[in-house]
Amino acid sequence: ETAVFQTPNYHVTQVGNEVSFNCKQTLGHDTMYWYKQDSKKLLKIMFSYNNKQLIVNETVPRRFSPQSSDKAHLNLRIKSVEPEDSAVYLCASSYRVRQNTLYFGAGTRLSVL
Amino acid sequence: GDSVTQTKGPVTLSEGTSLTVNCSYETKQYPTLFWYVQYPGEGPQLLFKVPKANEKGSNRGFEATYDKGTTSFHLQKASVQESDSAVYYCVLGEGTGGYKVVFGSGTRLL
Repeated sequence: ETAVFQTPNYHVTQVGNEVSFNCKQTLGHDTMYWYKQDSKKLLKIMFSYNNKQLIVNETVPRRFSPQSSDKAHLNLRIKSVEPEDSAVYLCASSYRVRQNTLYFGAGTRLSVL
Repeated sequence: GDSVTQTKGPVTLSEGTSLTVNCSYETKQYPTLFWYVQYPGEGPQLLFKVPKANEKGSNRGFEATYDKGTTSFHLQKASVQESDSAVYYCVLGEGTGGYKVVFGSGTRLL
């Protein structure tokens, strides 16, 4: 049963454009994440928010910015996309406790032409 | 730092044969170990987790033992099915906040 919803499923854009991806979770979790998955299926964490507060901010280009309105929503904005931004962006949520399990959305596939 | 190393894929098997995906980890803490599975077009989902050393986890015919002595957590299944085609991730969960996890590179099973 899907409980982490991402929109859009797929987005094609050109270099230099701005894009935004949305994520909502209905699990009541207090922590949300953005991961980037490349074509080789490598998963890399980008950001993590706990109760609307940024707690993890890995080294990502400054053109990426997360936005959280409440603990159930975490969006991702990319200003001026680059070809290397083509990837699948996965949103996840969990409780912020040890041994927590991550629940992922189905992902947003970004293609930059 | 913490790390996870797993079998490089893709792994190609015939239906009914056995599967082993090796996973080794490095950490100075007391982790929980996870296996996640990602089917085509979906996000990763938990296969099972094992919070304690020397215990075994299992689900859907897959199993793995958390071996603290050899720092390993190998995934095994006695007889694979076509429906098992997916990418499998070995994951190290640690940190006092619980939010920091380390994903292995993933192993695609065909």
